[in-house]
Amino acid sequence: EVKLVESGGGLVQPGGSLRLSCAASGFTFNKYWMSWVRQAPGKGPEWVANIKEDGSDKDYVDSVKGRFTIFRDNAKTSTYLQMSSLRVEDTAVYYCVSQTVPTNWGQGTLVIVSS
Amino acid sequence: DIVMTQSPLSLPVTPGEPASISCRSSQSLLYSNGYNYLDWYLQKPGQSPQLLIYWASIRASGVPDRFSGSGSGTDFTLKISRVEAEDVGVYYCMQAIHRLTFGGGTKVEIK
Repeated sequence: EVKLVESGGGLVQPGGSLRLSCAASGFTFNKYWMSWVRQAPGKGPEWVANIKEDGSDKDYVDSVKGRFTIFRDNAKTSTYLQMSSLRVEDTAVYYCVSQTVPTNWGQGTLVIVSS
Repeated sequence: DIVMTQSPLSLPVTPGEPASISCRSSQSLLYSNGYNYLDWYLQKPGQSPQLLIYWASIRASGVPDRFSGSGSGTDFTLKISRVEAEDVGVYYCMQAIHRLTFGGGTKVEIK
């Protein structure tokens, strides 16, 4: 059974930093792209970033470029999202998504950016 | 980026009656392997999206057979043959051929 467990969310002030983690199990982690998707309160999901199987290729939505960094550790079957210069509009539930077939989602971790 | 357009925005339904949701993409979702990279999700309040359909027409494990998906290329449809009360929530289509992008959502509620 595929499991994705996110952690690291919390309350942070504008301009602050946070690192999200996603522990994956139940599939061959190093063979799949991984993504982070967020959902702001009352809004639809929004893709944030993804990373290739070996970490050699990464992509980001324009609104987070230069502020967020996605990376992975295949030995630990985990992916991470390092978030800095956080803004109020980054407030959302952040989901880890495996681009397996079918895709799988974690339960999400809540990030609140507020003073 | 690929834009996903869903309709309708809101869908009042009567239990036992059928329902249908449309999703259109700005580019073809048909990959070279012959599969359309289109998923359908249902999100209930306070929960993460749950996968209903992947590759446009394949039901995910445990999904009742009253849910079906069809379409290819840029036009897709999710059908519920007989709506049940537990089917209420927001439905999203999502393309996975380039990055991930989502339709705007269709809120299904009981009349």
